[in-house]
Amino acid sequence: QVQLVQSGAEVKKPGASVKVSCKASGYTFTTYAISWVRQAPGQGLEWMGWITPYNGNTDYAQKLQGRVTVTTDTSTSTAYMELRSLRSDDTAVYYCARESYTGYSIIWGQGTLVTVSS
Amino acid sequence: EIVLTQSPGTLSLSPGDRATLSCRASQSVSSSYLAWYQQKPGQAPRLLIYGASSRATGIPDRFSGSGSGTDFTLTISRLEPEDFAVYYCQQYGGSPYSFGQGTKLEIK
Repeated sequence: QVQLVQSGAEVKKPGASVKVSCKASGYTFTTYAISWVRQAPGQGLEWMGWITPYNGNTDYAQKLQGRVTVTTDTSTSTAYMELRSLRSDDTAVYYCARESYTGYSIIWGQGTLVTVSS
Repeated sequence: EIVLTQSPGTLSLSPGDRATLSCRASQSVSSSYLAWYQQKPGQAPRLLIYGASSRATGIPDRFSGSGSGTDFTLTISRLEPEDFAVYYCQQYGGSPYSFGQGTKLEIK
């Protein structure tokens, strides 16, 4: 079956970087874009960006431009989200999701909690 | 950037009731590229509706979506106990994609 399995929880200090992985299975990885969405504790969903594994095209939320990079490794069907210069308000659950051809998110990973604390 | 505003913030209803959730966009959503997701505590969101009115695979027909342009609605015809959750709308018609702030559907 189609699934996305994310890496485990992380604890980082302010100013550090974090890289979350998202391994896809059950479909041809290069066919669909992967989105990243985060959710701060008790808050709503925030779209971060997406990547098309076929050609590496990306699009990012304006507020995260310059701090976030999304990449893929097609040989292992894995997507990565790196967030730099972490701040306390980056503490959140980070989700990857497989998009449809038009952009809605069909399949979601289980989420990765990233805690930023000194 | 398209801002989505959901109302009400919280909706208190009983099982068997009809629920109507609203999502209003700050500008027209291209091609009705509007989705609805359900999220329960500790779980990832689940796709319910895409293209404003198409039900995702496996979603019961008590869930329906409607609307176009800037006004969209999610209707749950007869609430089941498992429907009490938080619901989000999302537009994916233009970059950046955006989510509404959510409507919490709670048991009255």
